[in-house]
Amino acid sequence: IAGITQAPTSQILAAGRRMTLRCTQDMRHNAMYWYRQDLGLGLRLIHYSNTAGTTGKGEVPDGYSVSRANTDDFPLTLASAVPSQTSVYFCASSDSGVDTQYFGPGTRLTVL
Amino acid sequence: GQNIDQPTEMTATEGAIVQINCTYQTSGFNGLFWYQQHAGEAPTFLSYNVLDGLEEKGRFSSFLSRSKGYSYLLLKELQMKDSASYLCDVMDSNYQLIWGAGTKLIIKP
Repeated sequence: IAGITQAPTSQILAAGRRMTLRCTQDMRHNAMYWYRQDLGLGLRLIHYSNTAGTTGKGEVPDGYSVSRANTDDFPLTLASAVPSQTSVYFCASSDSGVDTQYFGPGTRLTVL
Repeated sequence: GQNIDQPTEMTATEGAIVQINCTYQTSGFNGLFWYQQHAGEAPTFLSYNVLDGLEEKGRFSSFLSRSKGYSYLLLKELQMKDSASYLCDVMDSNYQLIWGAGTKLIIKP
């Protein structure tokens, strides 16, 4: 089934630990995005990639890093997790940077 | 700064019509999107407006006035499954998406 997948579905993490959230799409979309969604706030862009091999910073990039080694995968890494990074994380992709975005099912992360 | 304003919550009755408003102030404009998000799920695309006017798609319609920085999403013949949050977002002149916090729509029988 074509689409975008994320793993894990949920995770509880101790503060200070390193964590990588995985995102894979099979739609051959050029652009991919990572958002966090917190109660009462809109989706906030963490990092994005317009095409394989390139990445850019979004609105809230601090504490996060990404890589885009190929078209399909766009992992998000928290080098040293802090409680303020407790959130729901959505990965999304679009054919180009100006198209409809398709979202993965999300990862619910709790940092204690 | 850039911002998107939407009502936090609205309530409507099954079978009725509801209009969800969105106003925006952004650096340029390259289109406005509406997404639907059911609780605990991912957002899904509903509509896209880049020119002024009304776009109709079944029970859902979306309107845009660029001069007023205003859009609305109109939902007709409301069904219980329409209970969800509705997200308005605008693409600015740098093709960055600015997201509203969403409007939680509660449908009552």
